[in-house]
Amino acid sequence: EPEVTQTPSHQVTQMGQEVILRCVPISNHLYFYWYRQILGQKVEFLVSFYNNEISEKSEIFDDQFSVERPDGSNFTLKIRSTKLEDSAMYFCASSYDRGTNIQYFGAGTRLSVL
Amino acid sequence: AQSVTQLGSHVSVSEGALVLLRCNYSSSVPPYLFWYVQYPNQGLQLLLKYTSAATLVKGINGFEAEFKKSETSFHLTKPSAHMSDAAEYFCAVSETGSQGNLIFGKGTKLSVKP
Repeated sequence: EPEVTQTPSHQVTQMGQEVILRCVPISNHLYFYWYRQILGQKVEFLVSFYNNEISEKSEIFDDQFSVERPDGSNFTLKIRSTKLEDSAMYFCASSYDRGTNIQYFGAGTRLSVL
Repeated sequence: AQSVTQLGSHVSVSEGALVLLRCNYSSSVPPYLFWYVQYPNQGLQLLLKYTSAATLVKGINGFEAEFKKSETSFHLTKPSAHMSDAAEYFCAVSETGSQGNLIFGKGTKLSVKP
C-alpha cells in the first residue's frame, strides 16, 4: 500500500541552525500538508500546498518557515533559524482529493532543538 | 472558528468492554469529521470519516462513529475492546469548501487492560 515517508525520523539541531525536513508524498496525490505536534499538545496545522504554491498557512507558519516541492516527488519543510520552541514532532500529509479530504500521514520527524 | 474538543485525555477499559471516545466540534458550516489513530512511533492512520453521507460511519478495526448534528458530536465506539486497540485517538474536523487543513482535538490515549 502506498505510504507517505518522512526523513529523518529524528533530527537534533542547535538553536539558530537551519533544518530541512523531508517528505515523499503518495505519488498521485495533489495536496500536501505539514502539521506539528509539540509534546503533550494537539496536532496543529502549519501549511497546505497545491499546484506548487501555498494554499493556506497558519499563524505558526511565520517567515522562519518555508516549503518547497523541488523535484516533483519530495516535499520539504525548512526552518531557517530554529528556536527551542520549534522542538516538536512534524507530520507530513498528502491527499488526492480536497473534496473528501482523506489525508494520509507520514510517521513524523521528531525535531529536537538544543 | 472551528474547534474540536475531546473529553478525557486518557480512557482505560478492560479487554472485551465497550470503547467510547468522545468528540465534540464547533463549525459554522457542515463539516467533514475524521477519527485518526496513532500507534507508538507511527504516523496518524485514518480510522473513519464523515462527509455528509450516512450519519453512522463504519471504519477499520471494528470502530464506528455517529454524527449527531443536534449535539455537535462525533463519538467513536467499538463494542468490544482488544489489546491491540491501545493507542492514541484523534478527532479532527475540516470545513467543506475549505483548503482542507484539519483541526485536531488534543487526543485521547486508550489503554486496554487484560
